[in-house]
Amino acid sequence: QVQLQQSGAELVKPGSSVKISCKASGYTFTSYDMHWIKQQPGNGLEWIGWIYPGNGNTKYNQKFNGKATLTADKSSSTAYMQLSSLTSEDSAVYFCARELGYWGQGVMVTVSS
Amino acid sequence: DVVLTQTPVSLLISLGGQASISCRSSQSLVHSNGNTYLHWYLQKPGQSPQLLIYQVSNRFSGIPDRFSGSGSGTDFTLKISRVEPEDLGVYYCLQRTHNPPTFGGGTKLELK
Repeated sequence: QVQLQQSGAELVKPGSSVKISCKASGYTFTSYDMHWIKQQPGNGLEWIGWIYPGNGNTKYNQKFNGKATLTADKSSSTAYMQLSSLTSEDSAVYFCARELGYWGQGVMVTVSS
Repeated sequence: DVVLTQTPVSLLISLGGQASISCRSSQSLVHSNGNTYLHWYLQKPGQSPQLLIYQVSNRFSGIPDRFSGSGSGTDFTLKISRVEPEDLGVYYCLQRTHNPPTFGGGTKLELK
């Protein structure tokens, strides 16, 4: 069965970067887009972008250009998202989702000094 | 970006009752290939969203037939019949016809 296992919660300082992971299993990792979605506390959902692990192609929501960088490691079937120059506005839960059908459990990122 | 407006914002339903949620788009969601990429999700408390309906009216794997989707163009509806306790949570619509994909603001389904 399709499973997406995300890394653990992160507490990071303003101005720093964080890299969160999403390990896929139960399907051919290189054959499906992996999407990333942001959810701020009490708020709705915001699409960040996707990566196609088969060839590394990416597409981003313009709002997250320069903020998020998506990569994928075919050897470990793991997708990554790096968030840079963190501010309090980046505090949120971040989900990975295979073609927006199967979702990971989410990673809470808290930006605080 | 395409704006999806969901109504109502919250819904009080009795167990066994029927719920109807509307999702209206700021522009047509018919793709140039003829498909309509409007999907519905349920996010239960403390969980990640789960896909219920894809492309307007197709139930995702394992989703009971109590859930049904309909609509076209800019107006879409999710109906939940015979509401059960596990149906409670926040429902979202999502459009993938236009870039970037956008979500509706959500409808919270609660028990009366």
